[in-house]
Amino acid sequence: GENVEQHPSTLSVQEGDSAVIKCTYSDSASNYFPWYKQELGKGPQLIIDIRSNVGEKKDQRIAVTLNKTAKHFSLHITETQPEDSAVYFCAASSSGTYKYIFGTGTRLKVLA
Amino acid sequence: DTGVSQNPRHKITKRGQNVTFRCDPISEHNRLYWYRQTLGQGPEFLTYFQNEAQLEKSRLLSDRFSAERPKGSFSTLEIQRTEQGDSAMYLCASSSPQGGANEKLFFGSGTQLSVL
Repeated sequence: GENVEQHPSTLSVQEGDSAVIKCTYSDSASNYFPWYKQELGKGPQLIIDIRSNVGEKKDQRIAVTLNKTAKHFSLHITETQPEDSAVYFCAASSSGTYKYIFGTGTRLKVLA
Repeated sequence: DTGVSQNPRHKITKRGQNVTFRCDPISEHNRLYWYRQTLGQGPEFLTYFQNEAQLEKSRLLSDRFSAERPKGSFSTLEIQRTEQGDSAMYLCASSSPQGGANEKLFFGSGTQLSVL
């Protein structure tokens, strides 16, 4: 069935360093890949998304890359700050369905 | 506050009791979703409404679960005869159509259910 694998499960970086989180999806029909940030006690918040007709998208310190052939997509956070500490989830969906398949999450800790 | 609102934030109940959660979506959004999230996992899709019509249900949604959106605005999720395995965060999200393309989901803060 549909599956999204996410790695690593935890990631610690020094403030100012970059962080990279990777996801792999199984459904070749997937064409939309959002990333969510979840802070303690809150629901997931959309931070960036990418569609299958684009290979890379950037928004200030956050960027997402997509490799459709390999079915990989990655989140890149540069110049990390303590407020970036949270759990990050990748997700995938395809046209015609409104069901998002989420990864298992990455707990990012930015050390001051 | 124009975000997705969920009530209650926390619910503690005894096994076998019924519980009901409410979700108020962003006012102009016609699509509403329920997801379930357990500790250390990503959200899992439960069901989806377009206006008042429930269009898709997950196999995770057993007969003890029922969701409604009677007027196409707020939605309720009821769990009957709760079991300890129902303990989870229940998340509601809403979206508005973007010309048929994939849609951005906006999540509420969730209802944390603990079944004792």
